[in-house]
Amino acid sequence: DAGVIQSPRHEVTEMGQEVTLRCKPISGHDYLFWYRQTMMRGLELLIYFNNNVPIDDSGMPEDRFSAKMPNASFSTLKIQPSEPRDSAVYFCASRPRRRSSRDTDTQYFGPGTRLTVL
Amino acid sequence: DQQVKQNSPSLSVQEGRISILNCDYTNSMFDYFLWYKKYPAEGPTFLISISSIKDKNEDGRFTVFLNKSAKHLSLHIVPSQPGDSAVYFCAASAGGNEKLTFGTGTRLTIIP
Repeated sequence: DAGVIQSPRHEVTEMGQEVTLRCKPISGHDYLFWYRQTMMRGLELLIYFNNNVPIDDSGMPEDRFSAKMPNASFSTLKIQPSEPRDSAVYFCASRPRRRSSRDTDTQYFGPGTRLTVL
Repeated sequence: DQQVKQNSPSLSVQEGRISILNCDYTNSMFDYFLWYKKYPAEGPTFLISISSIKDKNEDGRFTVFLNKSAKHLSLHIVPSQPGDSAVYFCAASAGGNEKLTFGTGTRLTIIP
């Protein structure tokens, strides 16, 4: 299994530009999560999907952020327009459906995209 | 409001000794706790977890202790090895909710 795939691995852009981050979850996983990592706040959940449907987007910081999951094997996180304070590492994670109420909550993370907004 | 706190940003431990990483939480609804390990330029990987019905879970060199009354958990690594040098994140979830709330991480450095 290739694991969760994210692209690009690094993105440098200028303030005001549109940024699109991409994620391919592990095949067969029902849940997909987008996180942002910063030194001050650690790993913050931005949004998560279940079977391609957004379930909770309360962590999305502003309307400048949007996420889509058009099918089970692809998701995007878009920032438009980007700002310097958006600079962070963005992680995508996926996990399978629980088979019991106490099945592990383990999520499988991709390698992340390091975003720098100048 | 940080519901999961890791108050030590960094920790250095001699190889072969015990490493103890701490985590505090404020939300009494949390009932499942996990530790993730992260190497540079990689995503976090699951290490060990514990349910609130237990106070200890052991997996090889790794043991997690949970003190519900104090809302505190700790990860013990014995003996510490150079490959354990990484950032460790504590995470929690509540009532089967899919959301994990992470701490800010502790950078562990094992000194040979």
